Amino acid sequence: DAGVIQSPRHEVTEMGQEVTLRCKPISGHNSLFWYRQTMMRGLELLIYFNNNVPIDDSGMPEDRFSAKMPNASFSTLKIQPSEPRDSAVYFCASSFGQGYGYTFGSGTRLTVV
Amino acid sequence: GNSVTQMEGPVTLSEEAFLTINCTYTATGYPSLFWYVQYPGEGLQLLLKATKADDKGSNKGFEATYRKETTSFHLEKGSVQVSDSAVYFCARAAGNTPLVFGKGTRLSVIA
Repeated sequence: DAGVIQSPRHEVTEMGQEVTLRCKPISGHNSLFWYRQTMMRGLELLIYFNNNVPIDDSGMPEDRFSAKMPNASFSTLKIQPSEPRDSAVYFCASSFGQGYGYTFGSGTRLTVV
Repeated sequence: GNSVTQMEGPVTLSEEAFLTINCTYTATGYPSLFWYVQYPGEGLQLLLKATKADDKGSNKGFEATYRKETTSFHLEKGSVQVSDSAVYFCARAAGNTPLVFGKGTRLSVIA
């Protein structure tokens, strides 16, 4: 199993541009989570899906952020327009169930200049 | 409410020293408890877990025991190595809600 796969690993973009982060969860996992990590705020849960359905997006900071999960093997997190304060490492994680813990991807380091 | 509190870092130890990172939780019921480790430039990795009271999770020389009476899940290792330098996160699960993570404790081990 290749684990949770995120792309790209690094993204540098200019303020105002659209950014799309991608995630492929582990096959068979039915929950998917998007996190953001910064030095100032630590690890923050942005949104999570169960069986491809968004359950709680209360962590999404603004309307500029959106996430989709069109099928069980793919999810995207989109920021439009991007701002410098969105610079962070974004992690995707998947799980078979809460008691099993999560498997995290390697993250996407986003820099907005 | 449901929360996880872990000791603030950074923690700096010499190689072969004993490590303890404290973690306490609040939750209704009997949550599963986890320790995750994040090495520089990587995502979080599950280090160990315990699913019920008095369970001991262990991996790579690390141990943590689920203590219901003190609502704690402290991480210990008898002899740390430089390669253990990382950020350690305590987390708890309860029901169908997402894992709640502590703020992380940075460990630096010097030779």
